[in-house]
Amino acid sequence: AQSVTQLDSQVPVFEEAPVELRCNYSSSVSVYLFWYVQYPNQGLQLLLKYLSGSTLVKGINGFEAEFNKSQTSFHLRKPSVHISDTAEYFCAVSDPGGSGNTGKLIFGQGTTLQVKP
Amino acid sequence: DVKVTQSSRYLVKRTGEKVFLECVQDMDHENMFWYRQDPGLGLRLIYFSYDVKMKEKGDIPEGYSVSREKKERFSLILESASTNQTSMYLCASSSSGVQETQYFGPGTRLLVL
Repeated sequence: AQSVTQLDSQVPVFEEAPVELRCNYSSSVSVYLFWYVQYPNQGLQLLLKYLSGSTLVKGINGFEAEFNKSQTSFHLRKPSVHISDTAEYFCAVSDPGGSGNTGKLIFGQGTTLQVKP
Repeated sequence: DVKVTQSSRYLVKRTGEKVFLECVQDMDHENMFWYRQDPGLGLRLIYFSYDVKMKEKGDIPEGYSVSREKKERFSLILESASTNQTSMYLCASSSSGVQETQYFGPGTRLLVL
């Protein structure tokens, strides 16, 4: 079965500093990879996704992620964070199981990014 | 913009009560999902539906059932609520396809006393 591991449960960082949120997945087949963000008291929204092609994926709000097949990683980065980036971030991998083309996802445990002034 | 709405933001129920959580999407999506979110565990899939009246169990279906009578509406039912079902419940929808983005509702925080 596929699984996703987010290596840090909390990442504190000062405003305008760079940040990396780490994500590793286990899969023996081709996968699609996603990063979602959850701002306080809201549902999740998509930051970016890797489907194929260039291993560097750019998303919204200045975030980017790099797909590394040999290391089965999909780390999320931002060169300079803002207070408004304080949120919980989830890495997810597509799960091809189930009926039809369901688009099921397997989520990691989440990483809380705390941006301090 | 895709909109996924959930019937309640907060609910307080008693142990043993039957609880209904409703989710409606307005983008004609084929797939709909129910997750529960607990600290340190991320999101875990309870049930999903890929068509009207079609459903499949997710990773943690015990104690839950679902209903999808219309394409836009997906209901989660707690047959007899228990304290260990206190959690945040998130609904999502997507078009058919493993590469498609899931769109989430704002969540329902359920407290079972």
